[in-house]
Parts: sequence; structure tokens; C-alpha cells
Amino acid sequence: NAGVTQTPKFQVLKTGQSMTLQCAQDMNHNSMYWYRQDPGMGLRLIYYSASEGTTDKGEVPNGYNVSRLNKREFSLRLESAAPSQTSVYFCASSDSAANTEAFFGQGTRLTVV
Amino acid sequence: KQEVTQIPAALSVPEGENLVLNCSFTDSAIYNLQWFRQDPGKGLTSLLLIQSSQREQTSGRLNASLDKSSGRSTLYIAASQPGDSATYLCAVPPWSSARQLTFGSGTQLTVLP
Repeated sequence: NAGVTQTPKFQVLKTGQSMTLQCAQDMNHNSMYWYRQDPGMGLRLIYYSASEGTTDKGEVPNGYNVSRLNKREFSLRLESAAPSQTSVYFCASSDSAANTEAFFGQGTRLTVV
Repeated sequence: KQEVTQIPAALSVPEGENLVLNCSFTDSAIYNLQWFRQDPGKGLTSLLLIQSSQREQTSGRLNASLDKSSGRSTLYIAASQPGDSATYLCAVPPWSSARQLTFGSGTQLTVLP
């Protein structure tokens, strides 16, 4: 089972460049999430989508935009990358009910120079 | 704001030893608590999910307990193996926003052969 698939796995950007991180899940989950993981800061929620057609800000949304393209796909866009956005980005999904597990992708390691 | 703490930050044990990892949280109004494993350079793998109404959850050599009133959870690993070496993270969604997981910083476990 593929679960949650993220692309790309690695990316190097120059300051000011833009890019989109892609995420797809095949578990028919309603909710999807984007987190970033930084040393000493742990995992922090950037944006989430409770269901198809909705998106909400998390703890650290500045500098990011998201699109819930359909039930399977949730993309994260950096419009003008900054060195502070150097991080490992994780996509996750869960069913719509509150008491269900979250499943994570393998991550995208992004470096902004 | 929910805060999740994991102590110790790192733990090294000889193979075969039973061990306990700790997780504490400041707001006891939670939907559930989830334990994850993260291998270096990899994503998060869900290990156990304890519902707020449960006291324990078991999977193989893993046993997780939850004491909401004291804001604590423990992950017990029996008969540890070198393959258990990884970072273990706990996460809770607050009652006010069930889908927004707050993560601890993790305990890095090394099991020595």
C-alpha cells in the first residue's frame, strides 16, 4: 500500500524562487495536513484541510499557500522561498473522525540558499 | 496552548532491556494520544493510538498507557532490540481542534547489541 506519497524527496531552491510540494493519499481520508520539522522546534502544523474544498491555517502558515485539489491531493506552495523555509516537510492524512490515526509521508527535504 | 514534553531527549540501553519512554502534556482536554516512530531521514510511522477513554493500548512488544488527569503517557518497550533504535514521538490533538496534532520533541533511543 502506498499510503501517503510526497514529491519531490529533495529540493534545493535559491532565495526568491517558487515551488510546489505535492502530496497524495490513497486511503480515502478526508483530512490532510502539512507539517514542517526543524531541529529543536519539533513538528509544527503549517496548513490543514479538514475535507475536500476547505483549508485552514495552522501554527506557522506565513510564506505558504495550499490547494486541496481533490480528495486525494493536497499541495503546498512556496511563492518566494526564504532561507528560513529550509526544513523537512511532511504531509499527513487522517479520517474525518476525531479519534483516528494520522499517517505520514516520507518527507521532502528542502534547502533554500 | 498545549505543550508536549518528552524526557529524556536521548536514551541508550543494552539489547534485551525493558524500557519506558515518557510523554507529558499540559492540557488534559485531548481527543487521543498517538505514539510515532521516526527513523533517520524517514517519515513518521504510527505505533499506537490511545483514545481519551482508554487507559492502555498494546501492539506486540509495545504498550502505551494514558493518564489524562495527570497529563502523562508512557510507552513501554519490552525486550528491546537494535532494530528498535529510532526517535519516538508522542502527539496530542486538543479538544478544541481535533485535527491539529501537537508534537513532543521526541526521545532518541539507541539499543546497543
